[in-house]
Amino acid sequence: EAGVTQSPTHLIKTRGQQVTLRCSPISGHTSVYWYQQALGLGLQFLLWYDEGEERNRGNFPPRFSGRQFPNYSSELNVNALELEDSALYLCARSSDRVPGNTIYFGEGSWLTVV
Amino acid sequence: AQTVTQSQPEMSVQEAETVTLSCTYDTSENNYYLFWYKQPPSRQMILVIRQEAYKQQNATENRFSVNFQKAAKSFSLKISDSQLGDTAMYFCAFMNAGNNRKLIWGLGTSLAVNP
Repeated sequence: EAGVTQSPTHLIKTRGQQVTLRCSPISGHTSVYWYQQALGLGLQFLLWYDEGEERNRGNFPPRFSGRQFPNYSSELNVNALELEDSALYLCARSSDRVPGNTIYFGEGSWLTVV
Repeated sequence: AQTVTQSQPEMSVQEAETVTLSCTYDTSENNYYLFWYKQPPSRQMILVIRQEAYKQQNATENRFSVNFQKAAKSFSLKISDSQLGDTAMYFCAFMNAGNNRKLIWGLGTSLAVNP
């Protein structure tokens, strides 16, 4: 049981548009993570939110941003979409900030940029 | 910078047999965590097993076990009695014990279990 709900499952956007992806962890899990899985590039860490604050950020341009809400759900926003943003975006949860706690993933949002 | 290397892009095994997937990593840290995740065709990333670097005992989870060699920076996954449902991409991942909570991933090994 992943305990992470992501939406939408699939979407297609045009280059230059903006997209918002959503993630809801099960109750009581305060940390939310975003990863990008692009073909041939493996998984890349995007963002970590905990208790409503951004705790860490990967090497992505500022047009990748997000936020975490008081109920610990999260949004990932990508502005000015580029073709190479096409990827599976995975959201994950853990129960707290304790290092090494297992991270559980949702089923992802497939983004295609045309 | 930490890196994770999986040297076997593809592997196959017969059902009921045993297979070992390799993973090496590079870090200057002494305390860290290692994970194996599987990603079946559904794309759901599923935790297989977790190892804490300060523990010498190798982690096991049912048919899955690891061979953790800290000095060699090696973390291989052994799957015993392979089942068709084990067919998936397997990713090795590293997280240091600091508080950045960032998983660093290998590029994966595609495992096919043949009937």
